[in-house]
Amino acid sequence: NAGVTQTPKFQVLKTGQSMTLQCAQDMNHEYMSWYRQDPGMGLRLIHYSVGAGITDQGEVPNGYNVSRSTTEDFPLRLLSAAPSQTSVYFCASSGRVDYGYTFGSGTRLTVV
Amino acid sequence: AQTVTQSQPEMSVQEAETVTLSCTYDTSESDYYLFWYKQPPSRQMILVIRQEAYKQQNATENRFSVNFQKAAKSFSLKISDSQLGDAAMYFCAYGRPFGNEKLTFGTGTRLTIIP
Repeated sequence: NAGVTQTPKFQVLKTGQSMTLQCAQDMNHEYMSWYRQDPGMGLRLIHYSVGAGITDQGEVPNGYNVSRSTTEDFPLRLLSAAPSQTSVYFCASSGRVDYGYTFGSGTRLTVV
Repeated sequence: AQTVTQSQPEMSVQEAETVTLSCTYDTSESDYYLFWYKQPPSRQMILVIRQEAYKQQNATENRFSVNFQKAAKSFSLKISDSQLGDAAMYFCAYGRPFGNEKLTFGTGTRLTIIP
């Protein structure tokens, strides 16, 4: 049972480049979320989904895009990378009934 | 909007002693969940303990227990018999499976274990 799988683990981008952070879960969870973690600010919600085909914005959505075409996958797209997007990104999933989020191992992104 | 506050940026405890981490939250809802997550230097977020607001009994998981005070909106984590492996950032979080499915986190408390 792999849980929540995030790829890549590390990434360096140049300003203006785009990329997709991948997230997949094999627990048949309805809920999935993307967070970014910056020093001293805890985890801030970027986007979330309560089921396939349904997404909504979180606290810091600007510059990011998501889609949820299947229950398993929830990719995060950076449209035009900026240095302010340098952060650690976490994907997480939770069941509706057994509520409690399981996190992926994170992606450390540096934008230069 | 819900908020979660952790007022202790850093804490330290002697190995084998007991330490309590504080968390307060603000909500107008009566049915919700509260969590403590541990983040060791490996960066992995690990669920330590979960409390359902409608349950009056405090949750426990081995050496970890909570003091849930619903009226005071307080949710502290007690770690007994502290071990070196307990050294980590600890995050308090709030969520509701129906109506506010996402988690809201506090800013964390860094716990140091003194050998």
